[in-house]
Amino acid sequence: QVQLQESGPGLVKPSQTLSLTCTVSGGSISSDTPTYYWSWIRQPAGKGLEWIGRIYTSGTTKYNPSLKSRVTISADTSRNQFSLRMNSVTAADTAVYYCARYHYGGGAFDIWGQGTMVTVSS
Amino acid sequence: QSVLTQPPSVSGAPGQRVTISCTGSSSNIGAGHDVQWYQQLPGTAPKFLINGYNNRPSGVPDRFSGSKSGTSASLAITGLQAEDEAAYYCQSYDTSLSAYVFGTGTKVTVL
Repeated sequence: QVQLQESGPGLVKPSQTLSLTCTVSGGSISSDTPTYYWSWIRQPAGKGLEWIGRIYTSGTTKYNPSLKSRVTISADTSRNQFSLRMNSVTAADTAVYYCARYHYGGGAFDIWGQGTMVTVSS
Repeated sequence: QSVLTQPPSVSGAPGQRVTISCTGSSSNIGAGHDVQWYQQLPGTAPKFLINGYNNRPSGVPDRFSGSKSGTSASLAITGLQAEDEAAYYCQSYDTSLSAYVFGTGTKVTVL
């Protein structure tokens, strides 16, 4: 079955760029049927979930307007991976970052990675 | 940024029925966008529980059911079991924000 795995640095300095990669196994991110959107979601410790953005197999992206100015999501279909870059990070960006698959037909984030903790600190 | 409001906690004895509310507005649930529910066990990633069509992924028992009315939605858990002790989040889409949104989360405690 499809599995997602996040990877990247666990510690980022303030004002620098956070970079994470999600590796997808058991399925191709290039497949356009069914329709899937590959997403990033984060969760600060003890708090709720915040959708960051998504990418479709065509390369089309959509971002949360509250983060749009700082976020870029890209995909590498040859490696079956998609990535998140967030610049100018502050302590408020400290959170567990999840990658997830959104199933357009089912209308839900149906598969999630285990999450990776990112701390922004000098 | 949570625009969907849930009660912080609900509790019930084993075997009882509990419901979790998710209150939104005219730009999300009230606009007709579906509501999905996720279960998050401590220290783990959220797990998809049920979608707006009341479809559950394989392995999710039919003790979980969802409903929607107006600008609110609810998740019902019948026959509450110890393994149901977790945080639960609702999720929808907000037209005004142009973003997927999640609820504030509800901690279910089995007494």
